[in-house]
Amino acid sequence: RKEVEQDPGPFNVPEGATVAFNCTYSNSASQSFFWYRQDCRKEPKLLMSVYSSGNEDGRFTAQLNRASQYISLLIRDSKLSDSATYLCVVNRNNDMRFGAGTRLTVKP
Amino acid sequence: DGGITQSPKYLFRKEGQNVTLSCEQNLNHDAMYWYRQDPGQGLRLIYYSQIVNDFQKGDIAEGYSVSREKKESFPLTVTSAQKNPTAFYLCASQGMNTGELFFGEGSRLTVL
Repeated sequence: RKEVEQDPGPFNVPEGATVAFNCTYSNSASQSFFWYRQDCRKEPKLLMSVYSSGNEDGRFTAQLNRASQYISLLIRDSKLSDSATYLCVVNRNNDMRFGAGTRLTVKP
Repeated sequence: DGGITQSPKYLFRKEGQNVTLSCEQNLNHDAMYWYRQDPGQGLRLIYYSQIVNDFQKGDIAEGYSVSREKKESFPLTVTSAQKNPTAFYLCASQGMNTGELFFGEGSRLTVL
């Protein structure tokens, strides 16, 4: 079993749609969690950290469920510019592990 | 400007040759990482270093070597023992307070 698993997609949604991604992790000792965004042929960039209480940044909401060992990312009112691959990252003692990513395409 | 600098951006090498990819950071971060990304796939951890003169193997360390003689620098050598070296290589350092990874722009290695 992979340490971090994501649905690879692709998710093809119309502008304005709400879309949600999940990510599961296998190690219950994982300490911190992040969502990164990666555009084609570019380096990943931090989208948001994921806190135990859940957190929101504009149209983006991240949640953590430690009991079930998954994190989620919700994107509301999708924009064309949200088209990218979204990477889930799990940290345990500075050992940062990435999921394979979920590809999102937002269409007009 | 503060950040991570990787070089070269593009590199071609013949089979059987070793090649070293440079990664330099001026963010004063202790932890640094090397990842490999193949087309359509996620990032796989090659090596990471939490402090100078110390480093640990990741999932796919075979055929690679690193050094951490200075805090600012974490070069990766792709050796001839690496069977499929053609890939996109990403270096990152980790912020001490937030745990966020800051990435360089990557190095694309093609073996001819």
